[in-house]
Amino acid sequence: NAGVTQTPKFQVLKTGQSMTLQCAQDMNHEYMSWYRQDPGMGLRLIHYSVGAGITDQGEVPNGYNVSRSTTEDFPLRLLSAAPSQTSVYFCASSYSPGSQETQYFGPGTRLLVL
Amino acid sequence: AQKVTQAQTEISVVEKEDVTLDCVYETRDTTYYLFWYKQPPSGELVFLIRRNSFDEQNEISGRYSWNFQKSTSSFNFTITASQVVDSAVYFCALLPSGAGSYQLTFGKGTKLSVIP
Repeated sequence: NAGVTQTPKFQVLKTGQSMTLQCAQDMNHEYMSWYRQDPGMGLRLIHYSVGAGITDQGEVPNGYNVSRSTTEDFPLRLLSAAPSQTSVYFCASSYSPGSQETQYFGPGTRLLVL
Repeated sequence: AQKVTQAQTEISVVEKEDVTLDCVYETRDTTYYLFWYKQPPSGELVFLIRRNSFDEQNEISGRYSWNFQKSTSSFNFTITASQVVDSAVYFCALLPSGAGSYQLTFGKGTKLSVIP
């Protein structure tokens, strides 16, 4: 198993540009989520999905869109990047949250918005 | 609403010293899970432990041990005989275990530096 994979590892954007952060898992996990990590802030939940076709907002959803067309993939879209979205983004997955499974995180995507 | 407080922003210890990282949480849920994650300088998040709120037994794994005290809402993490490889940021997190609970609430992290 590759676990949770994220691409790209690093990206530089200009304000107003759009991009998609990719996240994939090969563990047949139902639950996937996106967090952002900012200095001194810990990790905060952006969006999550409890299965294909089902998504919902987390703590800081503004400026981000998600979709879940397959169990494996959960892309995060920035429609119009802003400097405030400069952060490290982590994707996580688990069979189901809080049961016998634990959320496992991808390696992260470092995003810089100029 | 949930809250996790890691009051120690940064800690420095000399190699082989013991160190305890504090974690205090707030929740109205009667059942929940507590976690510790390690983030080494390479940046990935490594799962260390999950504790169910029903289980107040302390746990030891090698040089790592965890002290869960529901009465004080604390879930502290001790590293015995610290090593340079323990240098990392450590996060405590909480997840309610009720239906529809999906958000891990993280503390702000404690940066541990182990000096050789």
